[in-house]
Amino acid sequence: GESVGLHLPTLSVQEGDNSIINCAYSNSASDYFIWYKQESGKGPQFIIDIRSNMDKRQGQRVTVLLNKTVKHLSLQIAATQPGDSAVYFCAVPHEGGYNKLIFGAGTRLAVHP
Amino acid sequence: KAGVTQTPRYLIKTRGQQVTLSCSPISGHRSVSWYQQTPGQGLQFLFEYFSETQRNKGNFPGRFSGRQFSNSRSEMNVSTLELGDSALYLCASSIATGGIFGEQYFGPGTRLTVT
Repeated sequence: GESVGLHLPTLSVQEGDNSIINCAYSNSASDYFIWYKQESGKGPQFIIDIRSNMDKRQGQRVTVLLNKTVKHLSLQIAATQPGDSAVYFCAVPHEGGYNKLIFGAGTRLAVHP
Repeated sequence: KAGVTQTPRYLIKTRGQQVTLSCSPISGHRSVSWYQQTPGQGLQFLFEYFSETQRNKGNFPGRFSGRQFSNSRSEMNVSTLELGDSALYLCASSIATGGIFGEQYFGPGTRLTVT
């Protein structure tokens, strides 16, 4: 079945550094990918998405890179701030369609001053 | 625009009891999905409702059920609670219609503890 995995459970960075969070997926037919941020006590919040016809997409301080050859995507956060501390998930819609998301395990980002 | 609301926010139940959780989607959203989040299994899809019909279901036992009302509000029910049902239950709503995936907006969740 489909699965989405993350490379690291925890990432610690210094404030101001760039952060890179990685994710691997199993289904080569996946054509849409989403990154979510979940802060303590809150539900996941949409950060950025990318479709399979793109290799890179940029948002405000965030960039998502997609490598379809190795089925890998990454989330880059520039100039990481304390407010970026959260758990980050990558997710893909189930190939069966509709609004069913398959989530990765999550990476906890800890930003130190 | 108000976000997704879930009630109650916290709940403590005893094994064998049943529980009903409620979700009010963002106004205009007709799709409501439910997820279970646990430290061991992460975020797992339970089911999705659209126009009062269940469109998709995850791999959970029949003790987990749900429904959606004509105003798009949704409830999920867990019967015969087990310790392993302790989790954060998240509801997400989407404006998407048909088979197209739409951006999902999550509520804050209901923290269920089964003792």
